[in-house]
Amino acid sequence: QLQLQESGPGLVKPSETLSLTCAVSGGSFSNTTYYGAWIRQPPGKALQWIGSISYTGSAFYNPSLRSRVTISGNTSKNQFSLDLNSVTAADSAIYYCARHHRYRNYFDPWGQGILVAVSS
Amino acid sequence: ELVLTQSPGTLSLSPGDRVTLSCRASQRVSSNYLAWYQQRPGQPPRLLIYGASVRATGIPDRFSGSGSGTDFTLTISRLEPEDFAVYYCQQYGSSLWTFGQGTKVEIK
Repeated sequence: QLQLQESGPGLVKPSETLSLTCAVSGGSFSNTTYYGAWIRQPPGKALQWIGSISYTGSAFYNPSLRSRVTISGNTSKNQFSLDLNSVTAADSAIYYCARHHRYRNYFDPWGQGILVAVSS
Repeated sequence: ELVLTQSPGTLSLSPGDRVTLSCRASQRVSSNYLAWYQQRPGQPPRLLIYGASVRATGIPDRFSGSGSGTDFTLTISRLEPEDFAVYYCQQYGSSLWTFGQGTKVEIK
């Protein structure tokens, strides 16, 4: 059964870069059928798709975050990563990684999520 | 951006009740590419329904989805204690995938 697990710092200073990693187990990230995605949920707010990456490294992003986001993959480690630069308090959220089919873009499964606070 | 509006914001119900949740889109959802998720406290969202009406693997048949175009519905035929949670809809018919703001189903 495929499982995803997020890791990274729980606290990031304003203007710095938020960096998270999603480790994939019970299956391979090197699969042409599926993409890895990052989604976030600010406290008490709705979910927001951040971006996705294929195993070949082709990434695409939510236009509202595109200028600050980079998603990259590491097939040898079976993981993919998120970098979000120039963070502010508005970027404080639970960050989830998830999988979606390349043509059917609903998310399943999801990682447990990691809470990231942006504060000095 | 395709905006999804869920209603009501909160529902107070009892175990055994039938519940209907609404998700309305600001424009037509292409190919009825709409999914529903359940999120229990402290847990990630869990996929319930995709393609507006297809139950995901392992989802009980008390959950059903319907609708097309701009109006979609999630129905729980008979609430079980574990069904008290927040429910989100998500569209994946446009190039920017978006979620509704959620409906909380709480115990009366």
